[in-house]
Amino acid sequence: GEEVAQTPKHLVRGEGQKAKLYCAPIKGHSYVFWYQQVLKNEFKFLISFQNENVFDETGMPKERFSAKCLPNSPCSLEIQATKLEDSAVYFCASSQSGAGSNQPQHFGDGTRLSIL
Amino acid sequence: GDSVTQMEGPVTLSEEAFLTINCTYTATGYPSLFWYVQYPGEGLQLLLKATKADDKGSNKGFEATYRKETTSFHLEKGSVQVSDSAVYFCALISAGGTSYGKLTFGQGTILTVHP
Repeated sequence: GEEVAQTPKHLVRGEGQKAKLYCAPIKGHSYVFWYQQVLKNEFKFLISFQNENVFDETGMPKERFSAKCLPNSPCSLEIQATKLEDSAVYFCASSQSGAGSNQPQHFGDGTRLSIL
Repeated sequence: GDSVTQMEGPVTLSEEAFLTINCTYTATGYPSLFWYVQYPGEGLQLLLKATKADDKGSNKGFEATYRKETTSFHLEKGSVQVSDSAVYFCALISAGGTSYGKLTFGQGTILTVHP
């Protein structure tokens, strides 16, 4: 499609439950990025993909967070055993080309994750 | 590492006032610079970009000039409208360093425009 589509818009989970977020990048874009927006508007990079391959995962809390981008499927970000501090808005972005390029990243509307 | 610093907000203006939001950066090499805008309850929208020194990005009456000598990318608009009320983020991607392949954002500046 012409927009980055993220689902669901809102997700509520009890502490310790699993949460799974989805992202369909813009058609033709090779790179997908996940960011976490926490209090006071701070953005934290989590992970990026080049097609189905992980490009940079330096921002991922490896113990509980995982992500995939499989062919012909939306990309996903999964959080196991959620904690209160995982409450945030998770944004997905895509771009035609990635690393170091001047191509802008196009963002979805985000998924608001609330951990109770 | 790479970083972006924006002026502290919030910024409150009357309609038709002049807007400046300051942004300075530290980066390896020659980064590409961006301004994104986030309206209430929405995602980030690209507002404008500049990819090399002295480039001017412009869109919807907003503009920003890539100043390598002062490592700045200040956002300006000559006459703001109530509909410009939003959070504005300055960001960069660098060709090397810690922002290689990912956006590094400033802390955001909340703009409120009153009629």
